[in-house]
Amino acid sequence: EPEVTQTPSHQVTQMGQEVILRCVPISNHLYFYWYRQILGQKVEFLVSFYNNEISEKSEIFDDQFSVERPDGSNFTLKIRSTKLEDSAMYFCASKEKAKNIQYFGAGTRLSVL
Amino acid sequence: GENVGLHLPTLSVQEGDNSIINCAYSNSASDYFIWYKQESGKGPQFIIDIRSNMDKRQGQRVTVLLNKTVKHLSLQIAATQPGDSAVYFCAEIAYGGSQGNLIFGKGTKLSVKP
Repeated sequence: EPEVTQTPSHQVTQMGQEVILRCVPISNHLYFYWYRQILGQKVEFLVSFYNNEISEKSEIFDDQFSVERPDGSNFTLKIRSTKLEDSAMYFCASKEKAKNIQYFGAGTRLSVL
Repeated sequence: GENVGLHLPTLSVQEGDNSIINCAYSNSASDYFIWYKQESGKGPQFIIDIRSNMDKRQGQRVTVLLNKTVKHLSLQIAATQPGDSAVYFCAEIAYGGSQGNLIFGKGTKLSVKP
């Protein structure tokens, strides 16, 4: 069964460093998303991406964040200068056009020290 | 460091019993609702969905009920099994105001006792 894959599973970084979280969405999906989940809390929307541009972003997704689809398969989330409060699980999701169900990857745990 | 998380509501049931997990959603204009299951260390996994023009939808061992009058959603799991132990989130989409991003509820932790 096709699945969304995310790498790495765990990323440890120093405050102020840049990190890139990687995702490979399901191959025939056209809509891509990043969500964040701080430990023990609910999943929060960050950004949606369609047709090579950002469709929508939340207040969390400030100038420190960016997304990119560098080739036909990868979808990345970059945090330019990490802060302690960026520590969370980051989930990538994708969906088909004209469908509602988003499929999630297993997530990347980001720990900022 | 990581933030201290909120305490999740917990539902504890005996194996074989039925479970009912409730969710209050926020936006009366939401068009579509999904229940996700999240096991420890994994991403949310789709369980069942329902459109706002429906009151009830059944899947395999699961049923979702929607009450738009009070903005309430419930997930019923029949004959609960140990493998059902997880955190369950409801999520809503309001297409009129977004590109389809999910707004998640707080989650309920289901523990199944063998």
